[in-house]
Amino acid sequence: AQSVAQPEDQVNVAEGNPLTVKCTYSVSGNPYLFWYVQYPNRGLQFLLKYITGDNLVKGSYGFEAEFNKSQTSFHLKKPSALVSDSALYFCAVRDAGTYKYIFGTGTRLKVLA
Amino acid sequence: EAQVTQNPRYLITVTGKKLTVTCSQNMNHEYMSWYRQDPGLGLRQIYYSMNVEVTDKGDVPEGYKVSRKEKRNFPLILESPSPNQTSLYFCASSFSPTGGDQPQHFGDGTRLSIL
Repeated sequence: AQSVAQPEDQVNVAEGNPLTVKCTYSVSGNPYLFWYVQYPNRGLQFLLKYITGDNLVKGSYGFEAEFNKSQTSFHLKKPSALVSDSALYFCAVRDAGTYKYIFGTGTRLKVLA
Repeated sequence: EAQVTQNPRYLITVTGKKLTVTCSQNMNHEYMSWYRQDPGLGLRQIYYSMNVEVTDKGDVPEGYKVSRKEKRNFPLILESPSPNQTSLYFCASSFSPTGGDQPQHFGDGTRLSIL
């Protein structure tokens, strides 16, 4: 069965410091991996995806994610955090053999000025 | 403007009173989906649709119905709502995932309270 784990409920980081939001996954076939961000009272917004190819994926707003097949991880990163990055972040996976999506429980990122 | 529109945004109702949450997209997307968001559980997929008249269950379909009679609309129906269906609901759409994969576009959510 597919699953996604976001082990941290909250991540705090100082403005200007690098940030990492962790995600690990389990699928039976090839994974399609996504990161979404949710601001208060809004729907989710797409940040980036990994389908195939380079393990380092670049996305919106300066975010990037590193796909690691051996560790089944897809951690979200940004070199320099902004206060405006504070939001709820979701990792999602789809097994290439199905059309069902599994989302993680979300990680609240708080960037401190 | 490309968007996914859900209505209503907020609803308080009582147990057993049938309700429908509408979802409409203007991007000609084939794939549409419903999710519920609950604290500590993240988003869970309720139903999805690959195209008109093609629907399938997600992980938490019990107590819900959907239909896809037109490409742009994908209503979520609660025939006999119960308090455990109190949640924040999101509709999403994307181009078909069969030819690779596409990000989903989400509506702004519907907050349902079932008393």
